[in-house]
Amino acid sequence: EAGVAQSPRYKIIEKRQSVAFWCNPISGHATLYWYQQILGQGPKLLIQFQNNGVVDDSQLPKDRFSAERLKGVDSTLKIQPAKLEDSAVYLCASGSGYRADTQYFGPGTRLTVL
Amino acid sequence: RKEVEQDPGPFNVPEGATVAFNCTYSNSASQSFFWYRQDCRKEPKLLMSVYSSGNEDGRFTAQLNRASQYISLLIRDSKLSDSATYLCVVSPPGYQLIWGAGTKLIIKP
Repeated sequence: EAGVAQSPRYKIIEKRQSVAFWCNPISGHATLYWYQQILGQGPKLLIQFQNNGVVDDSQLPKDRFSAERLKGVDSTLKIQPAKLEDSAVYLCASGSGYRADTQYFGPGTRLTVL
Repeated sequence: RKEVEQDPGPFNVPEGATVAFNCTYSNSASQSFFWYRQDCRKEPKLLMSVYSSGNEDGRFTAQLNRASQYISLLIRDSKLSDSATYLCVVSPPGYQLIWGAGTKLIIKP
């Protein structure tokens, strides 16, 4: 079974530029999560989708971050404009339910903002 | 107080030793608990769920103490390959999953 795919794996941009990340979840998984993991910290949930609807985006900085999941499959996360503090690994996970033991993570995108 | 707290470590442990970590949580209504493992520069992977009655999987034992609001992870006969960061995840009522910052474990030969 194919896992969660993410691209790109690495991205370096300058502050104030825009960047987008893509995630393809495991086939059939209705739940999709985007996490931000800053070095030395645990993952922080940015947004959670159930199919193409948003379940939780309470920690998404909506002035600069946006995410969509068209057709309830792939998802993109965008940052515009980027700030230095956005340097982190952005992890996508998908799941067949809401419990953490149904979550599977992709390899992540490591973003460096200069 | 943070919602989920872990000792960041690192715990430096000789191979073959037993090591235990705790993870405390603030919401007494939390319902589900999990331990994840994260290797350096890799994604987190589920290690085990934590049940009220405790849970054992080989050398790993997870326990829940609701009265004191913490979960624990015990690793027996530690191996070099156990070196990683161990993250606890707590699920309060609702959809949210709250992650701890992780405990770093280093197993030394």
